[in-house]
Amino acid sequence: GENVEQHPSTLSVQEGDSAVIKCTYSDSASNYFPWYKQELGKGPQLIIDIRSNVGEKKDQRIAVTLNKTAKHFSLHITETQPEDSAVYFCAASLSYGGSQGNLIFGKGTKLSVKP
Amino acid sequence: DARVTQTPRHKVTEMGQEVTMRCQPILGHNTVFWYRQTMMQGLELLAYFRNRAPLDDSGMPKDRFSAEMPDATLATLKIQPSEPRDSAVYFCASGPWGEGRQPQHFGDGTRLSIL
Repeated sequence: GENVEQHPSTLSVQEGDSAVIKCTYSDSASNYFPWYKQELGKGPQLIIDIRSNVGEKKDQRIAVTLNKTAKHFSLHITETQPEDSAVYFCAASLSYGGSQGNLIFGKGTKLSVKP
Repeated sequence: DARVTQTPRHKVTEMGQEVTMRCQPILGHNTVFWYRQTMMQGLELLAYFRNRAPLDDSGMPKDRFSAEMPDATLATLKIQPSEPRDSAVYFCASGPWGEGRQPQHFGDGTRLSIL
């Protein structure tokens, strides 16, 4: 089955710097890759997602890149702010256009943005 | 914003007791997922439903866990009898289903402590 590895497990940056979180997946058939942000006491909230027919997607300060050949994808946050501090999860799924709906999650990255 | 609603938010009970967790998916979402989050295992899929029918419950211990959708507005996850190792945060997520329609939206979870 699918396995998703996420690195680093913790990341500390200064406010205004960029943060990069990387994930690799094992099943080349995976075709949907969302990123979730989880704040303390809350559920994971979708922040951006990408499908396998796209190499890059941006939404303001957040961008995701996908390399299907290498089976890895990354989250980039520019101009970080203290409110970006949270745990970020990557996930992979076989379900785009298919019948399987489950997400396989990475173990998470705790991002701390220091003012 | 439409939200997934989970009740109760917190539950503390003694080993051996029955526990019932409830989820109200976002109106119009026809796929409902149950996840469990622990420090050691991260986010794990327990079961999911589409149009109220169970599609996959392979992640769920069958001897003590059961998941149902009595109607389109309510999903339940029951543990009977509960054990200390069941202590975790249980999340419900819902999503639309169909070609190109992916995102899962999570509730804020039920934090379960079994003494």
